[in-house]
Amino acid sequence: GESVGLHLPTLSVQEGDNSIINCAYSNSASDYFIWYKQESGKGPQFIIDIRSNMDKRQGQRVTVLLNKTVKHLSLQIAATQPGDSAVYFCAEIIMNRDDKIIFGKGTRLHILP
Amino acid sequence: DAGVIQSPRHEVTEMGQEVTLRCKPISGHNSLFWYRQTMMRGLELLIYFNNNVPIDDSGMPEDRFSAKMPNASFSTLKIQPSEPRDSAVYFCASSLIRSSGELFFGEGSRLTVL
Repeated sequence: GESVGLHLPTLSVQEGDNSIINCAYSNSASDYFIWYKQESGKGPQFIIDIRSNMDKRQGQRVTVLLNKTVKHLSLQIAATQPGDSAVYFCAEIIMNRDDKIIFGKGTRLHILP
Repeated sequence: DAGVIQSPRHEVTEMGQEVTLRCKPISGHNSLFWYRQTMMRGLELLIYFNNNVPIDDSGMPEDRFSAKMPNASFSTLKIQPSEPRDSAVYFCASSLIRSSGELFFGEGSRLTVL
């Protein structure tokens, strides 16, 4: 876990339960949002994305919800497993401007046995 | 595909020394990104290239930092002279197209400047 800091918010979830990780973004012009997962000692890994013209998108065991009114993004992980332990980052892009991907601070997900 | 390859994985150096970090993006990817990750500041975008051309280097901390991409399969990030506050994990990532949100990250280069 040396690649991320000790001061991240931490969510502890019982194995088998559902997890909900939240993210607030600041730029109302952002129109594309992504969730990444970073395991200890590794680089971030893409999980799922959502465009601003959608409010929900589902993947395998994951669902992303977007509320543009309050600039809030969430990642739901169903039936959490030990392998889901990681730091999760939301990221945003303003398309067709600078296309820069800006990452949030991250949330550590800890799975309880 | 081998993924994004970074070297070195770990480097310890003394203040004032030059540091060069290397990256090989995934073949066929047109965009390459350099990020820095620290406890205090999280993941920061330093610079990114599209088709080997630097598009935005506004995240480069200061003139001590420079990045090049001489061809589609290689990029370097150089710090000269290095300072203790440069200690961080430096990630290189590539994507198929510029506007893709799906970045493929390397394993990172952990830099410690004493």
